[in-house]
Amino acid sequence: QVLLQESGPGLVRPSETLSLTCTVSGGSLSTYQWSWIRQSPGKGLEWIGNIHYSGNTNYNPSLKSRLTISVDTSKNHFSLNLSFVTAADTAVYFCARRGSGTSINWFDPWGQGTLVTVSS
Amino acid sequence: QSALTQPRSVSGSPGQSVTISCTGTSSDVGTYNFVSWYQQHPGKAPKVLIYDVNRRPSGVPDRFSGSKSDNTASLTISGLQAEDEADYYCCSFAGSYTFVFGGGTKLTVL
Repeated sequence: QVLLQESGPGLVRPSETLSLTCTVSGGSLSTYQWSWIRQSPGKGLEWIGNIHYSGNTNYNPSLKSRLTISVDTSKNHFSLNLSFVTAADTAVYFCARRGSGTSINWFDPWGQGTLVTVSS
Repeated sequence: QSALTQPRSVSGSPGQSVTISCTGTSSDVGTYNFVSWYQQHPGKAPKVLIYDVNRRPSGVPDRFSGSKSDNTASLTISGLQAEDEADYYCCSFAGSYTFVFGGGTKLTVL
């Protein structure tokens, strides 16, 4: 059973960079694609971006200029860096696997999520 | 890339059926048969119920079903149970390897 666990600071100051890591256990990060999704307090879900284990990425156009997603197959984890954050970036950040087998346009499983608050 | 449109809330009594709609555009729902649905209980991570419009992952009860017509996808929950009370989100592939979610629908079981 593949499990995902997000980790990183819970508080980030405005204009700084938000950095999170998603560690994959119970399976290899290779072979699949991986995603970051966030949920602002009391709001809906927002897709952030995907990364293939080869390192190829796809980003939400609204975040692209501030966003970097990377992968480290040796550590079986992938990471999110979002620069120049504002209060609007306060959210629960989830990592997830992008589908499996021949169908990859869905998200399962998900990590439990980690709350990141942007505040001075 | 605008969020898909879902009703803010729906409700139903135990045993009844409810349908949640998800309206997109010809750039997402209308073009791609890659709509998925997620159930989220308070404080928990979302759980997939439906993928590729109408396919159910193993372990998801057949009370949950999905469909699509033109730019609108739908999730139907039949035989409502108390534990179905949750938030529900649709998601669509939107081309160029991007995705868009709906705003979410709160289901109340009366």
